[in-house]
Amino acid sequence: EAGVAQSPRYKIIEKRQSVAFWCNPISGHATLYWYQQILGQGPKLLIQFQNNGVVDDSQLPKDRFSAERLKGVDSTLKIQPAKLEDSAVYLCASSLRRDTYEQYFGPGTRLTVT
Amino acid sequence: GDSVTQMEGPVTLSEEAFLTINCTYTATGYPSLFWYVQYPGEGLQLLLKATKADDKGSNKGFEATYRKETTSFHLEKGSVQVSDSAVYFCALDAGNNRKLIWGLGTSLAVNP
Repeated sequence: EAGVAQSPRYKIIEKRQSVAFWCNPISGHATLYWYQQILGQGPKLLIQFQNNGVVDDSQLPKDRFSAERLKGVDSTLKIQPAKLEDSAVYLCASSLRRDTYEQYFGPGTRLTVT
Repeated sequence: GDSVTQMEGPVTLSEEAFLTINCTYTATGYPSLFWYVQYPGEGLQLLLKATKADDKGSNKGFEATYRKETTSFHLEKGSVQVSDSAVYFCALDAGNNRKLIWGLGTSLAVNP
C-alpha cells in the first residue's frame, strides 16, 4: 500500500512570494489533515477535510493560507503572501475516516522563507 | 484546555541503555493517548497507543501505560538501539472531532 505522498520536499522562497504544497493521501482515506510543524514544536493542525468538505480550519490563518480538496482525494495548501514566520515543515496526514485516531503521515515539505 | 507535557531533550544514551521519556497530560473526559515517532527525514509514525486507563500500549520493544491517577503515559524501552534515534511525540485525542493535541517532542540519540 502506497503511503501519503507530498511534494515538493523542500522549498525556499522570499517573503511576500506565494507557494503551494501538494498532498495525495492513502487511497480510500476519507479524512485529510494539514499540519504546520515549527522547529522544536509539535505539529499544529491547520485544516481537516472529510472528503471534500472542511471539518476544522480554526487554526488556519485565512488571510494568507488557503487549502482545497476539490475531488475529495488530493489536496493543495497555499500560502500567499508568505512571511518569515511561515518557515516550517508542512505535514499532510490521512485517516480512513473522521472518527479514527490512526493518522498516517507523509514525509512533509520543508519551507524556508527568507 | 487539553494539553500534553513531555520531557525536554535531547536525550543521549548508549546502546542497550534503558529509556524513559516522561509524558503527562491535562484533559477533560477520557482521552486516548499516543506515542508517535519521527525518524530522520521521514514522516511521523504511530508507535503505540492506549485508549483507556491501565491499558498498556507496546510496539517494537517500546511500552507505555495509561495512568489516570498520575495523568501520565511515560514511554519506556529496556534496551535501546542506534536505530531508535529519532524524535518522539506524545499526543492525546480528546473530543468527538478526533483532534490530536501534541507535546513538543523529545529528541533521542543513541550512540554505539
